[in-house]
Amino acid sequence: EPEVTQTPSHQVTQMGQEVILRCVPISNHLYFYWYRQILGQKVEFLVSFYNNEISEKSEIFDDQFSVERPDGSNFTLKIRSTKLEDSAMYFCASIQTDTQYFGPGTRLTVL
Amino acid sequence: AQSVTQLGSHVSVSEGALVLLRCNYSSSVPPYLFWYVQYPNQGLQLLLKYTTGATLVKGINGFEAEFKKSETSFHLTKPSAHMSDAAEYFCAVSPGNNDYKLSFGAGTTVTVRA
Repeated sequence: EPEVTQTPSHQVTQMGQEVILRCVPISNHLYFYWYRQILGQKVEFLVSFYNNEISEKSEIFDDQFSVERPDGSNFTLKIRSTKLEDSAMYFCASIQTDTQYFGPGTRLTVL
Repeated sequence: AQSVTQLGSHVSVSEGALVLLRCNYSSSVPPYLFWYVQYPNQGLQLLLKYTTGATLVKGINGFEAEFKKSETSFHLTKPSAHMSDAAEYFCAVSPGNNDYKLSFGAGTTVTVRA
């Protein structure tokens, strides 16, 4: 069964550094999402992406964040200058009809 | 705007007992409703969903949920808990109609006692 994959599974970085989180959505899906889950908190929507552009973004998704689909298969989330409060689990999801399928997540730790 | 409230952040049940996880939603449009399960150190796995049609929906691992519009609820049940059901469970809502952004509840952690 096809599944969403994410790399790396765990990323440790220093505050102020750039990180790129990678996702490979299910191949015939067209809508892609990033969510994050800070430890002990709700899963929060960050951004949705369709037809090579952002279709919606949350207040969290400020100028430090960007997304792109560089090669037609990967879907990346970049954080330009990480802050301590960016430490969270980041989930990628892709959608078929009305259901989102989630990847296993990347745990980002900012020191 | 959509929102979800899960009553009870932690539920403890005995093996073989009924599992009942409560979810109430707020939505300005007919909602699409979902339950996801998250096992330790894993991602979110879809348990079941309601979009249209039959209000009692069955999912994987013996779980089911009933959409009650009058009560704005979508409670999750399983008649007989198994040790492997220990996990965190999230209720989520989306507006549907080509807007599939999910709004999640805070989650309910289920522990199963032998």
